[in-house]
Amino acid sequence: TQLLEQSPQFLSIQEGENLTVYCNSSSVFSSLQWYRQEPGEGPVLLVTVVTGGEVKKLKRLTFQFGDARKDSSLHITAAQTGDTGLYLCAAIIQGAQKLVFGQGTRLTINP
Amino acid sequence: NAGVTQTPKFQVLKTGQSMTLQCAQDMNHNSMYWYRQDPGMGLRLIYYSASEGTTDKGEVPNGYNVSRLNKREFSLRLESAAPSQTSVYFCTGGAYGENEQFFGPGTRLTVL
Repeated sequence: TQLLEQSPQFLSIQEGENLTVYCNSSSVFSSLQWYRQEPGEGPVLLVTVVTGGEVKKLKRLTFQFGDARKDSSLHITAAQTGDTGLYLCAAIIQGAQKLVFGQGTRLTINP
Repeated sequence: NAGVTQTPKFQVLKTGQSMTLQCAQDMNHNSMYWYRQDPGMGLRLIYYSASEGTTDKGEVPNGYNVSRLNKREFSLRLESAAPSQTSVYFCTGGAYGENEQFFGPGTRLTVL
């Protein structure tokens, strides 16, 4: 059973479209992170959110942390082929001291 | 400043063989972690070390052992490899229980 459920697991869209991927749990997070992983490499941190309701923007990427700190979303505006990759959410569950990862969303942006 | 390095990058083993995956970090992190990544499963924690001299089991420790040799190095050993251990293995360093994990480049292991 995944502590963090990501949806969708696969997403293929055309360049220029918008998209949202989700990360959900029944547990409360102390903090949540989004990573991006390219083929043959390790994941690289995009953002960390800590406060319920927090919104962070990174160029065309908007990250939102749910008010109850149980879910998060990543929205990409006007997707580009360079956004292609595996997007992973990761969180420290309250009371635990380890980072747990979702199963990932594999995003393909077609030219 | 290399960050987190892992060796080897690729390895093929036969069932029953043993090997050690090496990991080193020059970022002065107290904690280090070993994950395995399988399609559709995300990253699963095998073992971690919150500080030099301590190690603890993660989500999927069976079939593995670890050694925190010093603050810089954290190795993962497969004593008797099984096909189910075919995976990509990542070592990370980070502040224990906090935020960002810095990933190594990964070791792609195939057990035949």
